[in-house]
Amino acid sequence: GAVVSQHPSRVICKSGTSVKIECRSLDFQATTMFWYRQFPKQSLMLMATSNEGSKATYEQGVEKDKFLINHASLTLSTLTVTSAHPEDSSFYICSATDLLAGGHNEQFFGPGTRLTVL
Amino acid sequence: AQSVTQLDSHVSVSEGTPVLLRCNYSSSYSPSLFWYVQHPNKGLQLLLKYTSAATLVKGINGFEAEFKKSETSFHLTKPSAHMSDAAEYFCVVSPLNTGGFKTIFGAGTRLFVKA
Repeated sequence: GAVVSQHPSRVICKSGTSVKIECRSLDFQATTMFWYRQFPKQSLMLMATSNEGSKATYEQGVEKDKFLINHASLTLSTLTVTSAHPEDSSFYICSATDLLAGGHNEQFFGPGTRLTVL
Repeated sequence: AQSVTQLDSHVSVSEGTPVLLRCNYSSSYSPSLFWYVQHPNKGLQLLLKYTSAATLVKGINGFEAEFKKSETSFHLTKPSAHMSDAAEYFCVVSPLNTGGFKTIFGAGTRLFVKA
């Protein structure tokens, strides 16, 4: 099956620094990738939809200057949390979809990145 | 408009007894429906999916779900719970619409399995 990786799996940083999280589709071309945020014991909240070669579409209430998304290739999307603060601490999960696989909109999820901002 | 409602935030069963996790949905389009499982600090694993073929869908680890259009439901079941089934389960709806789609997650149901 389709595999999506995320790196790093866990990161701790100081307040005010920026953190980059990578999401890669390992064995398929991901025309669309999604970034989610998950607070403890809560569901996933979609942050943005990223299409290769174009600007990401952010959900209402998500600061695009705070959460920079780049989808430069069909296998890689990055999320950069700029000037991170403790309230940005969360579990970030990416997913990818392969529209060539039949269009049933199945998303393949990465293992997640635990961000802790001190 | 689309929505997903998981009717129980927590379900507790004894090992070896049946599992029922309930999900109701609404969708303006013909939906794809999914169940995912998430173990602590892990990503999501697909259990099964409904994509307008057979209404009874069999998934991994003995789980299955039945799509009932008249009831707008997609409940997840398993005949006999195992300790390793303890996790968070998400019901997800996504329209069968290649012109742009938005996936909606349910709030999740935490399954506890007692020995």
